[in-house]
Amino acid sequence: DVKVTQSSRYLVKRTGEKVFLECVQDMDHENMFWYRQDPGLGLRLIYFSYDVKMKEKGDIPEGYSVSREKKERFSLILESASTNQTSMYLCASSLKNSYEQYFGPGTRLTVT
Amino acid sequence: RKEVEQDPGPFNVPEGATVAFNCTYSNSASQSFFWYRQDCRKEPKLLMSVYSSGNEDGRFTAQLNRASQYISLLIRDSKLSDSATYLCVVTRMTTDSWGKLQFGAGTQVVVTP
Repeated sequence: DVKVTQSSRYLVKRTGEKVFLECVQDMDHENMFWYRQDPGLGLRLIYFSYDVKMKEKGDIPEGYSVSREKKERFSLILESASTNQTSMYLCASSLKNSYEQYFGPGTRLTVT
Repeated sequence: RKEVEQDPGPFNVPEGATVAFNCTYSNSASQSFFWYRQDCRKEPKLLMSVYSSGNEDGRFTAQLNRASQYISLLIRDSKLSDSATYLCVVTRMTTDSWGKLQFGAGTQVVVTP
């Protein structure tokens, strides 16, 4: 059974703080993704990675960065959190040539 | 215009009834289509792929209409456990698009006893 885990279910941070969201998958998937989900907007892709140390911008990368030092781990970094980054953050992974993505449980981040 | 548009609902459906809803997409070059299901406060999970010829998975039937650029999902004999948000998903068409998906905002279905 594929398992994608995220470091926190709920997180509250202050404006200007640096925030780290961690994602780990245990199925040796090549692809990993970070999305945010907001009401009425659906899932929007922030960053994705096809391989270790490789990253590519998604649709809304501004204010975010990522790190993939190991195949199983993909981190999302908010360099200086702002209130408009309050959202549900979902990590996903998939095999190299597959469109089926497996999602983690999500992290609900509140920036005050 | 959004790349993938869905009626947000909610569609209130009596248990045992049939419900159907559509999703439209704007990129005529999209090649692959899916329905994902998201339960309240849970992560999305793949429900089924949508093939050109239409396909069935138990009580669920998915159809694709390329000419009009929409896909549909029909749920027969609705169960209480079918209550969820159904996300329409199409593939992104760029040179490096493998694995990249475009998600609709979802259609909420509420099955009532």
